[in-house]
Amino acid sequence: AQKVTQAQTEISVVEKEDVTLDCVYETRDTTYYLFWYKQPPSGELVFLIRRNSFDEQNEISGRYSWNFQKSTSSFNFTITASQVVDSAVYFCGLVDNYGQNFVFGPGTRLSVLP
Amino acid sequence: SQTIHQWPATLVQPVGSPLSLECTVEGTSNPNLYWYRQAAGRGLQLLFYSVGIGQISSEVPQNLSASRPQDRQFILSSKKLLLSDSGFYLCAWTSPGRLPEAFFGQGTRLTVV
Repeated sequence: AQKVTQAQTEISVVEKEDVTLDCVYETRDTTYYLFWYKQPPSGELVFLIRRNSFDEQNEISGRYSWNFQKSTSSFNFTITASQVVDSAVYFCGLVDNYGQNFVFGPGTRLSVLP
Repeated sequence: SQTIHQWPATLVQPVGSPLSLECTVEGTSNPNLYWYRQAAGRGLQLLFYSVGIGQISSEVPQNLSASRPQDRQFILSSKKLLLSDSGFYLCAWTSPGRLPEAFFGQGTRLTVV
């Protein structure tokens, strides 16, 4: 069965600090996709990134970066120079190659304080 | 373009009453459809997913059921609601044969009183 673990339930940082959100996954599939979504207070889920299991290159998008390490089954997300608008719940997700059985971790609530 | 409609946005129902939440997708064919529940302050729990009409996979045994009477329609139901059914319900879809990405509806906030 597929499973995603986000060990950090809540994180609080002060604005401009860097913060890393951890994600560890379990799957028996050799081909799969990993995701990060952001859920602001309004409730809708906002897509941030998708990464397939064959692409272990780290990715940077503005203040966001992702570190995919297949050897440790981790897909961590770092926000550099955090801002108050980054405050949200962040979900790490996993889906098989057919787009079925899309599961998420329990989420990490990030609070960025001014 | 693809869109997903989920309604109602909010719902207050008494314990023991029935429930029907509907989700429809436009602009795609044969989507994979999902129902998630998010209890207050908790994560996203996958309740049901469907890869085709009449095909429902249940991830967690519970007081709820799902049906897919049409290709792009997914319904979440209950015959008798419990207090523990309160939460934020999200419908989502992914498109098979493409790079997977889950598209979410706006959610239904259900309060059982």
